[in-house]
Amino acid sequence: GEDVEQSLFLSVREGDSSVINCTYTDSSSTYLYWYKQEPGAGLQLLTYIFSNMDMKQDQRLTVLLNKKDKHLSLRIADTQTGDSAIYFCAEILTGRRALTFGSGTRLQVQP
Amino acid sequence: DTAVSQTPKYLVTQMGNDKSIKCEQNLGHDTMYWYKQDSKKFLKIMFSYNNKELIINETVPNRFSPKSPDKAHLNLHINSLELGDSAVYFCASSQDPAWQYFGPGTRLTVT
Repeated sequence: GEDVEQSLFLSVREGDSSVINCTYTDSSSTYLYWYKQEPGAGLQLLTYIFSNMDMKQDQRLTVLLNKKDKHLSLRIADTQTGDSAIYFCAEILTGRRALTFGSGTRLQVQP
Repeated sequence: DTAVSQTPKYLVTQMGNDKSIKCEQNLGHDTMYWYKQDSKKFLKIMFSYNNKELIINETVPNRFSPKSPDKAHLNLHINSLELGDSAVYFCASSQDPAWQYFGPGTRLTVT
C-alpha cells in the first residue's frame, strides 16, 4: 500500500472513541472505503465515502475526508471489544478497476 | 446462499508443488479479481477478469496463472510453489469496480 498509508496500531479503552487515520496520494480517487478484518476472517466493507463529500455518519461510524490534505479518517464512537480488528482504508481511482488498500491499522480495545 | 465462495479455505503444501484455488460467484457479476494478502497484511491486486477477458495483470510471477472458464468462475493456478507464496488469497467480484464483494479467503501455507 505505498500509495495509501496508515498507522499500524491503535489501542483504546472500551467506551472511548477510536480514530483511525489514512493518507493517500492520488487525487483521482472516486470512492474511499473502510474495511474491517477480524482475526482469521475475510474483509467486511464497513463504510465508504464519495470523493465529493466531506463527512459521512453511519451509526457509530463517522468518516471524514479532507481532500486538500488527502486525509481520510474513521471515528468509531463508544468502541467495544468486538471492534478489535484490522481496519483498512482503500480507494478506487478514476479509470482503474481495482482497489488500492492501505497497510491496515490494528485496533486493540481493552476492557 | 454464499455470494462469493472460495475453495479450499486452507491449503498446506510443499515447495515445488503445483496447486489451484477456485472461486465462484453467484451474483451475476461480469468482473472477478484475485487479491493477495501477505504475512504483513498488505493487500494487493493480482489479476482481474471481465467476461473471461484478462483486464488487470499486475507484476506477478509467471508461475501464477488465472483461468476463467466462464464469468462466474475465476481460478488461480500456481506452479512451483515457493515459501514466499504463503499468503491469504482473496477472490472478489463486481458489476461496478467501485463495489466489490469479497470471498472468505484461502490461506495458503507453503512448507
